[in-house]
Amino acid sequence: QKEVEQDPGPLSVPEGAIVSLNCTYSNSAFQYFMWYRQYSRKGPELLMYTYSSGNKEDGRFTAQVDKSSKYISLFIRDSQPSDSATYLCAMKTGRRALTFGSGTRLQVQP
Amino acid sequence: DARVTQTPRHKVTEMGQEVTMRCQPILGHNTVFWYRQTMMQGLELLAYFRNRAPLDDSGMPKDRFSAEMPDATLATLKIQPSEPRDSAVYFCASGLVREDRLSTDTQYFGPGTRLTVL
Repeated sequence: QKEVEQDPGPLSVPEGAIVSLNCTYSNSAFQYFMWYRQYSRKGPELLMYTYSSGNKEDGRFTAQVDKSSKYISLFIRDSQPSDSATYLCAMKTGRRALTFGSGTRLQVQP
Repeated sequence: DARVTQTPRHKVTEMGQEVTMRCQPILGHNTVFWYRQTMMQGLELLAYFRNRAPLDDSGMPKDRFSAEMPDATLATLKIQPSEPRDSAVYFCASGLVREDRLSTDTQYFGPGTRLTVL
């Protein structure tokens, strides 16, 4: 079993929809949680970063961490065709390098 | 606009050949990572360096892969001999570990080297 599980999708939604992307993990020592966005044939880029449990909002994006359930989410409001990409969750303890999920491919239809 | 650069962007080679991939981290960054991405396995960490010293290469097949940082502006990943199962996109990423933190929070990825081994 992988330490981080993520549904690969693809997830297809109409423009303007609210998107929910999720990851579950098994290592309770993870403290830092991130979401990366990867456009086709590009490298991943950091989208959101949270430490421990709670919510963090940045524009149309909200990252949510529930450490008791070992579950993290990324919500995208008013989704746009430009949001079409693969979204990777990533997490780590203080000392270790990042552990990535396998990524969820999102397609926002105009 | 500082960014990580990787060369070559694409490489097609035959089984048994040596492959060398190069990465120039962002100037001033002290941590460099090598990842491999495939559809089946996703993004896997192969090795990473801090201040040019290897910290962890446990994700790398030792018999054929090697990673080095000859200087602060160049990281290399070599495969010898290459095999078809090595076909993947190889990413380099760099980051800055500050004195008061245990590890970097933000990694900046390069555009990747798409390797095909026939």
